[in-house]
Amino acid sequence: KQEVTQIPAALSVPEGENLVLNCSFTDSAIYNLQWFRQDPGKGLTSLLLIQSSQREQTSGRLNASLDKSSGRSTLYIAASQPGDSATYLCAVQGGSEKLVFGKGTKLTVNP
Amino acid sequence: EPEVTQTPSHQVTQMGQEVILRCVPISNHLYFYWYRQILGQKVEFLVSFYNNEISEKSEIFDDQFSVERPDGSNFTLKIRSTKLEDSAMYFCASSTNTGEPLETQYFGPGTRLLVL
Repeated sequence: KQEVTQIPAALSVPEGENLVLNCSFTDSAIYNLQWFRQDPGKGLTSLLLIQSSQREQTSGRLNASLDKSSGRSTLYIAASQPGDSATYLCAVQGGSEKLVFGKGTKLTVNP
Repeated sequence: EPEVTQTPSHQVTQMGQEVILRCVPISNHLYFYWYRQILGQKVEFLVSFYNNEISEKSEIFDDQFSVERPDGSNFTLKIRSTKLEDSAMYFCASSTNTGEPLETQYFGPGTRLLVL
């Protein structure tokens, strides 16, 4: 059974800092991995999707990497801003349609 | 930009009552999903729906749950007899118009269900 773990559970940084969020998964037989952003009481906004054949994806200040063989992904956020404050969720999709989610990392960027 | 919409945003119901949560997926998407998130816990998969039938469901999705696509735009989740433990945020999602499910899933804003 696929398990997804995200470390740290919470992170507080000053504005402008570069930071890395970590995601690990137990079954490396995945088709893709998706990073989401969740604001309090809100839905999930897709940030990046990495196919299993890819090593990384970039969107603006965000860069996600995937090491499928070791069961790890990182989300790098450059020059963090207070508006980046949210919970970041990692989810993997294996041989079926469902996404398996981690519990998320709650990020606070302080002005 | 197209988006998934859900109604209502909040619903309060009494234990044992039936509730129907509604979703309008992105137009021309072919795969539809329901997930839920109990407060403080992970987002959990409930069910996926393709070509007018359930394609996958989780252990959570028991006989109390059902899904339907009553017309060309809506996708509904019905809980027949709600329990206290059904209280959660319910998310609808849809993906792809290419017949390939392994693409980005787009989520709606959620319906917060509270069972008293």
